[in-house]
Amino acid sequence: DTEVTQTPKHLVMGMTNKKSLKCEQHMGHRAMYWYKQKAKKPPELMFVYSYEKLSINESVPSRFSPECPNSSLLNLHLHALQPEDSALYLCASSQVRGGQGANEQFFGPGTRLTVL
Amino acid sequence: DAKTTQPTSMDCAEGRAANLPCNHSTISGNEYVYWYRQIHSQGPQYIIHGLKNNETNEMASLIITEDRKSSTLILPHATLRDTAVYYCIVRVARSFGNEKLTFGTGTRLTIIP
Repeated sequence: DTEVTQTPKHLVMGMTNKKSLKCEQHMGHRAMYWYKQKAKKPPELMFVYSYEKLSINESVPSRFSPECPNSSLLNLHLHALQPEDSALYLCASSQVRGGQGANEQFFGPGTRLTVL
Repeated sequence: DAKTTQPTSMDCAEGRAANLPCNHSTISGNEYVYWYRQIHSQGPQYIIHGLKNNETNEMASLIITEDRKSSTLILPHATLRDTAVYYCIVRVARSFGNEKLTFGTGTRLTIIP
């Protein structure tokens, strides 16, 4: 299985709602990532988890709360979002190899989020 | 991580080789060159990476100049399904999860029938 799955595919939420995005992989990868992609822009890194611990937070507002409950799952909890948070949210995973070597990231198809 | 410069857009005839250039004149000795592509409304897809030597896999070839200041991604026989935005990324291969990919604006490649 070389796939990263994301649910839901589409999500519409109001500014007072609480929702969660889910990402899953069964490739044995121990690094997982959240990216945000606005229309016609490149993806931007939000969070990195390594061995289920948060290792990078790119100064993301606290209304986005990541969670990595186990090595296969990554969640992004959303609360009190703004319309400008509407974007494609991408999850990725990779192996974690020490020292030399380049670790390619495998991306999921994304969740398209619309905040009304 | 070193900055990259790519043309905004390119066209290529179906069946011909697509050659996508990337400049990375400030690349350091321990930085790899990665290529990813993103087909419309999908997640990015890893294509290939290299450090110094030219690399080839089932998808593409990567040619890196001797001074490592530029590279070219070659899709040998482009098909309509290769229409996508292609990202050249230069970064250090870090260990233990601190893997930060910084995407530039990329090249929008359109394959013409």
